Amino acid sequence: EVQLLESGGGLVQPGGSLRLSCAASGFTFSTYAMSWVRQAPGKGLAWVSAISDSSGTIYYADSVKGRFTISRDNSKNTLFLQMNSLRAEDTAVYYCAKGYVSVNRFDSWGQGTLVTVSS
Amino acid sequence: QSALTQPPSASGSPEQSVTISCTGTTSDVGGYNYVSWYQQHPGKAPKLMIYEVSKRPSGVPDRFSGSKSGNTASLTVSGLQAEDEADYYCSSYAGRNNVIFGGGTSLTVL
Repeated sequence: EVQLLESGGGLVQPGGSLRLSCAASGFTFSTYAMSWVRQAPGKGLAWVSAISDSSGTIYYADSVKGRFTISRDNSKNTLFLQMNSLRAEDTAVYYCAKGYVSVNRFDSWGQGTLVTVSS
Repeated sequence: QSALTQPPSASGSPEQSVTISCTGTTSDVGGYNYVSWYQQHPGKAPKLMIYEVSKRPSGVPDRFSGSKSGNTASLTVSGLQAEDEADYYCSSYAGRNNVIFGGGTSLTVL
């Protein structure tokens, strides 16, 4: 069974940084692309960033480009999202999702971790 | 890129059918056959219900079906059951390695 477990969320001040992790199990992590998708409180879903299986290809939504960095450690089956220069509008539950942006198919999701940006 | 347009709410009685629309543009829904639908129960993670407009992942009941005409995609839930009550989000590939979502539709089973 595919399992994705996010961690690292919390309360951070505007301009601060946070690093999210997503521990994967139940599938061959190193052979799948992964993404981060977020959901602001009471709002809809928004794709944030994607990384290919080998980390050779990386994509970002315009709203986070230059501030967020996605990475992965295939030896530890873990996906990361380094978030810098955080803004109030980055407040959301962040989900990691297994799948491919190019065909818009995310077939497994974690339970999410809440990031709150507030002073 | 703007979000896809979904009705905020939809409803139907048990065993009835309900259709949720998702309207985009020629740059997303109309331009690619990569429309997906996700179901999300309160406080839970989204679940993939439909991908590539009309394909169902293993384990998704065939009561759920998807279609597309022009710039509008649709999700139909037939034979409504109480457990179908949830939020539903459409999503489309939008080119240049970008994916956009709709604002979500809250489905109520009366």
